[in-house]
Amino acid sequence: DARVTQTPRHKVTEMGQEVTMRCQPILGHNTVFWYRQTMMQGLELLAYFRNRAPLDDSGMPKDRFSAEMPDATLATLKIQPSEPRDSAVYFCASGLGQGYRYGYTFGSGTRLTVV
Amino acid sequence: AQSVTQPDIHITVSEGASLELRCNYSYGATPYLFWYVQSPGQGLQLLLKYFSGDTLVQGIKGFEAEFKRSQSSFNLRKPSVHWSDAAEYFCAVENNAGNMLTFGGGTRLMVKP
Repeated sequence: DARVTQTPRHKVTEMGQEVTMRCQPILGHNTVFWYRQTMMQGLELLAYFRNRAPLDDSGMPKDRFSAEMPDATLATLKIQPSEPRDSAVYFCASGLGQGYRYGYTFGSGTRLTVV
Repeated sequence: AQSVTQPDIHITVSEGASLELRCNYSYGATPYLFWYVQSPGQGLQLLLKYFSGDTLVQGIKGFEAEFKRSQSSFNLRKPSVHWSDAAEYFCAVENNAGNMLTFGGGTRLMVKP
């Protein structure tokens, strides 16, 4: 089965450090989402790309978070500087067009702990 | 703005019993609706989706869901639960532009032997 690959799976970092999370969408998928999952807030949409263009990042704290797709095979989410409240599991999901056609495939997530 | 409510945070059922997980949505137009399942330490796996046509949708692992427009609901069902179904289940709604997938808070299912 085709998979969305996220790296690293786990990351522990100190407050103030830069964190970069990577996502390799399924080959041919043109839609990529980034979500953050916490116990308190559940699944929150951070950013959305279609055909590598960022179409919505209204859910992302702009002062410290940035999301990019340098090419069709790589999406990145950066946090600089990181804070303890950023501790969460970050998921990437990819799809072909809109979700109602084929659904979205999620990666296994990056569990981030900021100490 | 679209939203999804899953009223039950936790549900416990006995193995072999039937299951129904509730989902209510709020969206101004015809919604695109999804159910995902998340096992511990894993990502979300699509169980089934609805966007038009037959309001009873069949999914993987023996799950089905029924779209009821009058009740703004999309409840997930399974006639006989297996221990391996223990997981967290998320209902989601997508807007018609396909650029926002909003999740409910999830329902954690536990299965008693």
